Amino acid sequence: DIQLTQSPSFLSASVGDRVTITCRASQGISSYLAWYQQKPGRAPKLLIYAASTLQNGVPSRFSGSGSGTEFTLTINSLQPEDSATYYCQQLNRYPFTFGPGTKVDIK
Amino acid sequence: EVQLVESGGGLVQPGRSLRLSCTASGFTFGDYAMSWFRQAPGKGLEWVGFIRSKAYGGATEHAASVRGRFTISRDDSNSIAYLQMNSLKTEDTAVYYCSRDISPMALYYFDYWGQGTLVTVSS
Repeated sequence: DIQLTQSPSFLSASVGDRVTITCRASQGISSYLAWYQQKPGRAPKLLIYAASTLQNGVPSRFSGSGSGTEFTLTINSLQPEDSATYYCQQLNRYPFTFGPGTKVDIK
Repeated sequence: EVQLVESGGGLVQPGRSLRLSCTASGFTFGDYAMSWFRQAPGKGLEWVGFIRSKAYGGATEHAASVRGRFTISRDDSNSIAYLQMNSLKTEDTAVYYCSRDISPMALYYFDYWGQGTLVTVSS
């Protein structure tokens, strides 16, 4: 199975900050990567797919980049509603594995 | 408006079976692949499997952790996806979500999600 690691596992930032989360794959996955946001008690929300394509309706402060084994999710100008856990998921090979998540807290 | 509603969760003893349903509305169900995910209490997300649309053969893929025990199927005439879970184990305890492919072109990224249904496997 393809393993995904995320760093950091937790971060605390202020409103207006730029935040970057990294996802690394144990082998190359081309651009077959998605990013999800999940708030407590809620279903995940797709933010980014194909590594860098913003899902319809997602604010433009979210962006994704990368290919191969290293990917980033960037939140420009962090907002209070961005407090959540963020997961990456690879869809290059079965099983479609997830990273362990990064919890983002607002100071 | 796209809606997905899971049902069928509950408390079940180890070794028993349970069938989850995902009832869809607001889109042409038969055109889309459907996937199941789960999340154990306090843990991360896990992909369970998915079923392709008939246009792409209707075949399924399952995670190794459930292969041979869980089966995904679909009823396009009633817009329902199913997750048949047999030989349940305590480690199958989780909230189960169904989700829809973002495109009828079988991109296998999943955008719309249901609210989830809790399955608790315990004696």
